[in-house]
Amino acid sequence: KNEVEQSPQNLTAQEGEFITINCSYSVGISALHWLQQHPGGGIVSLFMLSSGKKKHGRLIATINIQEKHSSLHITASHPRDSAVYICAADFHSGGGADGLTFGKGTHLIIQP
Amino acid sequence: DVKVTQSSRYLVKRTGEKVFLECVQDMDHENMFWYRQDPGLGLRLIYFSYDVKMKEKGDIPEGYSVSREKKERFSLILESASTSQTSMYLCASSPRSARGALYGYTFGSGTRLTVV
Repeated sequence: KNEVEQSPQNLTAQEGEFITINCSYSVGISALHWLQQHPGGGIVSLFMLSSGKKKHGRLIATINIQEKHSSLHITASHPRDSAVYICAADFHSGGGADGLTFGKGTHLIIQP
Repeated sequence: DVKVTQSSRYLVKRTGEKVFLECVQDMDHENMFWYRQDPGLGLRLIYFSYDVKMKEKGDIPEGYSVSREKKERFSLILESASTSQTSMYLCASSPRSARGALYGYTFGSGTRLTVV
């Protein structure tokens, strides 16, 4: 069964702290997605990766294919980073016509 | 800026009503998806479509149907709304091949549906 597990479920940190959110999945994937959802509902794609590491501003995503594990890091965290972060796996090759399998999300709060 | 647009942010409907949720994308994507999101359950796939007039059931299709008459538009239909269908509904699209794509998936802003 295709499963995606995320941890922690909730995370509260102080402004400036280094944040790590973890994601593990059950079987081989074609791509791993990190998404961000702010209160109000809309989801924004942060990263899509199938190997190695990607960086965008203060956000870094890494994936270890052998260990079936990915991490999202936030450096110098800021209150505006407060959101739900969702890991999602594309278990199918060829672009994901069958949709993604999602983790339950990590609710991150950054306090000033 | 590329977009997936959902017609309503908030909807309140009565039990038994037929409800239409509309989603339009401007990226010429082949694949379109409808998900619902509930606390503690995360996002779950209701239906998806990989081409015009094509549709496939996702994990929780019961009580829903879909329509895709044009490539850019994917409609979710609640034939007879029930209180158990109160949820956040999210539409997404993706190209047939994600090769070279930055993100692969683009999501709409969501429709929060309340059935009373």
